[in-house]
Amino acid sequence: QVQLQQWGAGLLKPSETLSLTCAVYGGPFRGYFWSWIRQPPGKGLDWIGEINHSGITNYNPSLKSRVTISVDTSKNQFSLKLNSVTAADTAVYYCARVGSRGAAGEFDYWGQGTLVTVSS
Amino acid sequence: DIQMTQFPSTLSASVGDRVTITCRASQSVSSWLAWYQQRPGKAPNLLISLASTLQSGVPSRFSGSGSGTEFTLTISSLQPDDFATYYCQQYDTAPYTFGQGTKLEI
Repeated sequence: QVQLQQWGAGLLKPSETLSLTCAVYGGPFRGYFWSWIRQPPGKGLDWIGEINHSGITNYNPSLKSRVTISVDTSKNQFSLKLNSVTAADTAVYYCARVGSRGAAGEFDYWGQGTLVTVSS
Repeated sequence: DIQMTQFPSTLSASVGDRVTITCRASQSVSSWLAWYQQRPGKAPNLLISLASTLQSGVPSRFSGSGSGTEFTLTISSLQPDDFATYYCQQYDTAPYTFGQGTKLEI
């Protein structure tokens, strides 16, 4: 059974860099794209971007200038960095697997979520 | 970006009811549409992909239909576990976008 476990700092000050990592267990890492998705408190879901084992990335244009997603295939992990955060970046951040064997697909496995709060 | 609009935003129903949630895309997404269930404090759970393909382990009372710009999620007989928030998501064109959610309440 595929499991995604994520971790990272939960409290940031404005202008700092958000950093989260997601580890994949129990299933293949290669051959899939891996995504980050966020959900502001009480609101809907926003796709941030994705990466595959080769390091091919796709980003949401709304965040592209501030986002970097990277991969460490030796550890079956991928990471999110979002710089220059503001209060608008306060959200629960999820990592997820893209189910189809391509860049576009449904998200069939999810991490547990990490609440990141940006406050001075 | 493709805008996904769900309605209703909130749906009040009772155990045993049949309910339908609608999701409309601002342009055709063919059948590249998924439905998720999210309970408070939990990650979303994939119910349906490709507009109508039920995921393994999802009860058969859930069904999806539609193509192009209009899609529906139907729950044939509501169970207590089903009271949650439901989201549609298109994966035809990046950035992949979600509807704003439909909260199903008792």
